[in-house]
Amino acid sequence: GENVEQHPSTLSVQEGDSAVIKCTYSDSASNYFPWYKQELGKRPQLIIDIRSNVGEKKDQRIAVTLNKTAKHFSLHITETQPEDSAVYFCAASYMEYGNKLVFGAGTILRVKS
Amino acid sequence: GAGVSQSPSNKVTEKGKDVELRCDPISGHTALYWYRQSLGQGLEFLIYFQGNSAPDKSGLPSDRFSAERTGGSVSTLTIQRTQQEDSAVYLCASSLIGGRHQPQHFGDGTRLSIL
Repeated sequence: GENVEQHPSTLSVQEGDSAVIKCTYSDSASNYFPWYKQELGKRPQLIIDIRSNVGEKKDQRIAVTLNKTAKHFSLHITETQPEDSAVYFCAASYMEYGNKLVFGAGTILRVKS
Repeated sequence: GAGVSQSPSNKVTEKGKDVELRCDPISGHTALYWYRQSLGQGLEFLIYFQGNSAPDKSGLPSDRFSAERTGGSVSTLTIQRTQQEDSAVYLCASSLIGGRHQPQHFGDGTRLSIL
């Protein structure tokens, strides 16, 4: 089955700097890659997603890149702000059965002001 | 409703008791998913519903776990003879259609504690 590895497990950056979180997946059939942000005690919130027919997607300060050949994808957050502090999860899925998501273990992002 | 609703928000029970967790998906969403999040861990898939049927229940950890969905809407996850390792946050998500990469929207979860 699919396996998703996520790095780093924790990341501290200074406010205004960029943050990059990387994920690798094992199943070449996976073709959908969402990213979720989870604040302490709250529900995971979808922040951006990418499909395998696209190499990069941007939404204001966040962007995701996908390298299908290497089977890895990354989240980039520019001009970080304290409110970006949260746990970020990457996930992968394929359409064989619904859209079952396989998640990475998460990255704790701390933005220091 | 406006979002995925789960109840109860917290549940504390003794080992060996049965528990039932409820999920009310976003209106019109045909796909429903259950995940489990242990402390400090990522989310682990349990089961997926398309309408009232469950094409993928591969993530259910044991036969003590079962789930059903009725009327294409509300779903219940039942854990029988609970064990301490069942302690976790149980999250429900729904999406408009399964199998089409529709975004999954999560509820706030049920925090289950087994004493």
